[in-house]
Amino acid sequence: EDQVTQSPEALRLQEGESSSLNCSYTVSGLRGLFWYRQDPGKGPEFLFTLYSAGEEKEKERLKATLTKKESFLHITAPKPEDSATYLCAVTFNAGNMLTFGGGTRLMVKP
Amino acid sequence: DAGITQSPRHKVTETGTPVTLRCHQTENHRYMYWYRQDPGHGLRLIHYSYGVKDTDKGEVSDGYSVSRSKTEDFLLTLESATSSQTSVYFCAISEPLTRGGETQYFGPGTRLLVL
Repeated sequence: EDQVTQSPEALRLQEGESSSLNCSYTVSGLRGLFWYRQDPGKGPEFLFTLYSAGEEKEKERLKATLTKKESFLHITAPKPEDSATYLCAVTFNAGNMLTFGGGTRLMVKP
Repeated sequence: DAGITQSPRHKVTETGTPVTLRCHQTENHRYMYWYRQDPGHGLRLIHYSYGVKDTDKGEVSDGYSVSRSKTEDFLLTLESATSSQTSVYFCAISEPLTRGGETQYFGPGTRLLVL
């Protein structure tokens, strides 16, 4: 069964304390891996798409990487405004359908 | 924000009543999606549409129907609401990326409570 698993479920960091979130997937025919940010009471906000192993994308303090089995979202020197739930999703084979992981809730304390 | 609006934003209804949620987009996107988001289950696809009057089922379609009579509107109907359909509902559209492929952009959500 195709699955997307995110870890940890929750992560507390001090401001400036760098860390990584993990998204592992067991799908055949990966077409794309997507990272979203979701703030409470809002819809997911698109961050990155990765298509092939070895690919990397960066945006401000965030950097996403992709291997054949997992993706990491690295957060460098986070700030309290980076607090949110980060969602990972994949598309596979010929479809546009997104399969989501359960998310990682990140809390950055000043 | 991909020009997506959802209405209503909040709704409280009673078990057994019909409910229709509306998703409206202003940028002529072909693909539209309905998801529900629940604690412990994440985001799950209910139905999607790939054009006017062209729709298909997603992972959790039981108890839901959809209609798309014009490009800009995608309606989600709960024929007879149940408490298990209490959830937050998100609409999404697909949009091409500048470097190829597509991604989905989400609306603000509708919070539905079925008593």
